[in-house]
Amino acid sequence: AQSVAQPEDQVNVAEGNPLTVKCTYSVSGNPYLFWYVQYPNRGLQFLLKYITGDNLVKGSYGFEAEFNKSQTSFHLKKPSALVSDSALYFCAVRDKTDKLIFGTGTRLQVFP
Amino acid sequence: KAGVTQTPRYLIKTRGQQVTLSCSPISGHRSVSWYQQTPGQGLQFLFEYFSETQRNKGNFPGRFSGRQFSNSRSEMNVSTLELGDSALYLCASREGRDQPQHFGDGTRLSIL
Repeated sequence: AQSVAQPEDQVNVAEGNPLTVKCTYSVSGNPYLFWYVQYPNRGLQFLLKYITGDNLVKGSYGFEAEFNKSQTSFHLKKPSALVSDSALYFCAVRDKTDKLIFGTGTRLQVFP
Repeated sequence: KAGVTQTPRYLIKTRGQQVTLSCSPISGHRSVSWYQQTPGQGLQFLFEYFSETQRNKGNFPGRFSGRQFSNSRSEMNVSTLELGDSALYLCASREGRDQPQHFGDGTRLSIL
């Protein structure tokens, strides 16, 4: 069965430092992968997706993600974190029935 | 374009009652999906509608139902409410199969 794992409940990083939020997946066939961000009392905002093509995907707000097929990972990265990036981040995979399976979420805390 | 609109934003009900939540997708989007978000279970897929037909269904009891109208607006109904139905209910729409889902800000349902 398709699944997504986000091994870290929380990631702490200082403002200006690079950040990484980890995601690994398990799918049969080619993966369709997504990252979303959720701010308090808001819905999910789409950041980026990987369907095919370059392994490095660039998205909104300076975020990017690296698809690694051999490690079945799709880690979210940003070269320089902002305090305003503090939020809940979700990785998701589209399963073979075309519905999104979400990870448990990672809370990113960026300290000034 | 206006985003996905969900009404109401907040709702308080008592056990045994029923509730109807509404979702207006982004203009031109014909696919509407519903998700339940709780601290314990995370984000779980409820169902997806496309052109007034349920295309996909998650693993929820029959008390949870939905429908979609000819203008793509969707409603979700929960009957015989239970305490465990307290959650943030999110609606998402998308333009096509390979496009990302865009979420509304949700309806927070509290059951007393």
